[in-house]
Amino acid sequence: NAGVTQTPKFRVLKTGQSMTLLCAQDMNHEYMYWYRQDPGMGLRLIHYSVGEGTTAKGEVPDGYNVSRLKKQNFLLGLESAAPSQTSVYFCASTPRLAGDEQFFGPGTRLTVL
Amino acid sequence: GQNIDQPTEMTATEGAIVQINCTYQTSGFNGLFWYQQHAGEAPTFLSYNVLDGLEEKGRFSSFLSRSKGYSYLLLKELQMKDSASYLCAVRNTGGFKTIFGAGTRLFVKA
Repeated sequence: NAGVTQTPKFRVLKTGQSMTLLCAQDMNHEYMYWYRQDPGMGLRLIHYSVGEGTTAKGEVPDGYNVSRLKKQNFLLGLESAAPSQTSVYFCASTPRLAGDEQFFGPGTRLTVL
Repeated sequence: GQNIDQPTEMTATEGAIVQINCTYQTSGFNGLFWYQQHAGEAPTFLSYNVLDGLEEKGRFSSFLSRSKGYSYLLLKELQMKDSASYLCAVRNTGGFKTIFGAGTRLFVKA
């Protein structure tokens, strides 16, 4: 099993450009999450999904959109990138049960110039 | 509001014991997690507490007091590879969201 994978690993964008980050998991997990991690601020939840075809907003959703058309994939889109979106983005997944840990992808390091 | 507090940095000596504290205030509680994160890597799961008391797993133990909104992670027989950030996280009542603290950077010196 590959676990949780993220594409790409690194990306540099110019202000105003758009891009999509792809997260894939092969563990048949129901829940998937997108976080951003900034120095001194820990992981902050952007959007999450509790199943195929469903998405919901997290703590910091502005400037991002998501889609979960297939259970194994969770896409994070930036329509018009801003320097404030420079961050490390982590995707995570977990089974349905409350005590289950989150499994994280390796992260995407995004720089917006 | 929701808030999780942890010390920013700690330093300990190889072979020693270190305790990393976490206090939380959340709108609901459905379990507390500890994750380890090495620099440049993804977080990995260490422990989960949902009831009061101590959970032991090898060199790592985690304690929870729900009435005090308090947890700690205890690392015994410290090794150099334990140098990492340790993230305290609380899952909310609905079970969908997990709020993370900023993390504690632990430096283990020889």
